[in-house]
Amino acid sequence: KAGVTQTPRYLIKTRGQQVTLSCSPISGHRSVSWYQQTPGQGLQFLFEYFSETQRNKGNFPGRFSGRQFSNSRSEMNVSTLELGDSALYLCASSLSIANTGELFFGEGSRLTVL
Amino acid sequence: SQQGEEDPQALSIQEGENATMNCSYKTSINNLQWYRQNSGRGLVHLILIRSNEREKHSGRLRVTLDTSKKSSSLLITASRAADTASYFCATDFEGAQKLVFGQGTRLTINP
Repeated sequence: KAGVTQTPRYLIKTRGQQVTLSCSPISGHRSVSWYQQTPGQGLQFLFEYFSETQRNKGNFPGRFSGRQFSNSRSEMNVSTLELGDSALYLCASSLSIANTGELFFGEGSRLTVL
Repeated sequence: SQQGEEDPQALSIQEGENATMNCSYKTSINNLQWYRQNSGRGLVHLILIRSNEREKHSGRLRVTLDTSKKSSSLLITASRAADTASYFCATDFEGAQKLVFGQGTRLTINP
C-alpha cells in the first residue's frame, strides 16, 4: 500500500510569490491534515479536510488556504509569501477524522522563502 | 495554551540504556499519541492511548497515562542507535477536534 505522497519535496520561492503544495493520501483515507513545522514554533496545525470539507482550521492568516478533491487528494496554497513562511509543511492522512486515530505522515515539502 | 509540554527537551544516553520522556497537558483529553520523527522527515505513529487507559505496550515501547496528573510518559527500553530521533506527544483535547503536538524531545543514543 503506497504511503502519503507530498510534492514537491523542496522548493525555493521569493517574497510575494505564491506556492501550491500537493498531498496524495493513502488509498481509502478520507481525512487530510496539514501542519507547518519550524524550529521556533514546532508543529502547528493548519487545517483538516474530510470528504472535501474543511473540518477545522488553525490560527493562520487567510494567505494560507487549502482544498480537497473528490479523490481525497489535497492541496494547500500560500499567497504573498513572507520570509517567516519558510518551513517544513507536513501532510497527514487518516481513515476517519484526524484527532480520533493514527495519522500517517508524508515526508513533507520544505519551503524556503528568500 | 492547550499544547502538551514535553520534558526533557533533549536527552542523550548510551546504547542499551532506557530512555524516558514525559508529556504534560492542562485540559481534559480524549486520547494522547506519541510520534517519532527522524531528522527532517515525516512523523511516524508509535502508540495511541485513550483517556480510559493507563498503560500500553508496543515492542520496546511503554506508554503510561495519568489523567489525574494530566501527564504521560514514553519509555524506550534497551535503546539502540536507530532510536535517535525527536519524539512528540500529540493530544486530542476535548472539544478541540484536532491533534495538538508538543515541542518534542530530541533523543540521542550514543554507541
